[in-house]
Amino acid sequence: DAGITQSPRYKITETGRQVTLMCHQTWSHSYMFWYRQDLGHGLRLIYYSAAADITDKGEVPDGYVVSRSKTENFPLTLESATRSQTSVYFCASSEEGYGYTFGSGTRLTVV
Amino acid sequence: GNSVTQMEGPVTLSEEAFLTINCTYTATGYPSLFWYVQYPGEGLQLLLKATKADDKGSNKGFEATYRKETTSFHLEKGSVQVSDSAVYFCALILNQAGTALIFGKGTTLSVSS
Repeated sequence: DAGITQSPRYKITETGRQVTLMCHQTWSHSYMFWYRQDLGHGLRLIYYSAAADITDKGEVPDGYVVSRSKTENFPLTLESATRSQTSVYFCASSEEGYGYTFGSGTRLTVV
Repeated sequence: GNSVTQMEGPVTLSEEAFLTINCTYTATGYPSLFWYVQYPGEGLQLLLKATKADDKGSNKGFEATYRKETTSFHLEKGSVQVSDSAVYFCALILNQAGTALIFGKGTTLSVSS
């Protein structure tokens, strides 16, 4: 199916564990983004990527790691999960000059 | 810095009422402006956009006009429906390579029949 797919849809993990959220897009868009959505904060940018092997920090990058070895994939890793990272995570892709397309989100709970 | 401020919700309306959700922005340069909508349990969908001053974006009965003089992009709809119940986000992006969307905090709209 064409589009942008996030997995898993829901995840519960324990404090201190490493967890990876996956994002896959089928359009070969150059740009990909990770946002987190929290009540009272809206969406805040964690990391973004302008192309394969090019990534840059957003507003709230601490505690997260990204990679982009292939254009279509942009995984987000929490190296040692904390309760403050409980959130809904959205991946998005875009091509220069066009709007963003968002995935359906991953709801992560850290206990 | 660059930021978006939108009115706090929730906004509660009866069906067929007029809707306004205020959005103002601060930006270095001339941004493009967007409204996104998020229905319960879903991701964000682009509702409308405007790329330069005095542009009007419109979609599904919603409208917003890019007002440079007041740095605003207020969302309006003449007659809301129950199906419009959602969270609405105002956002901007600078018109330069390598920048990302900056969002407001979102406004929850609840429409009752």
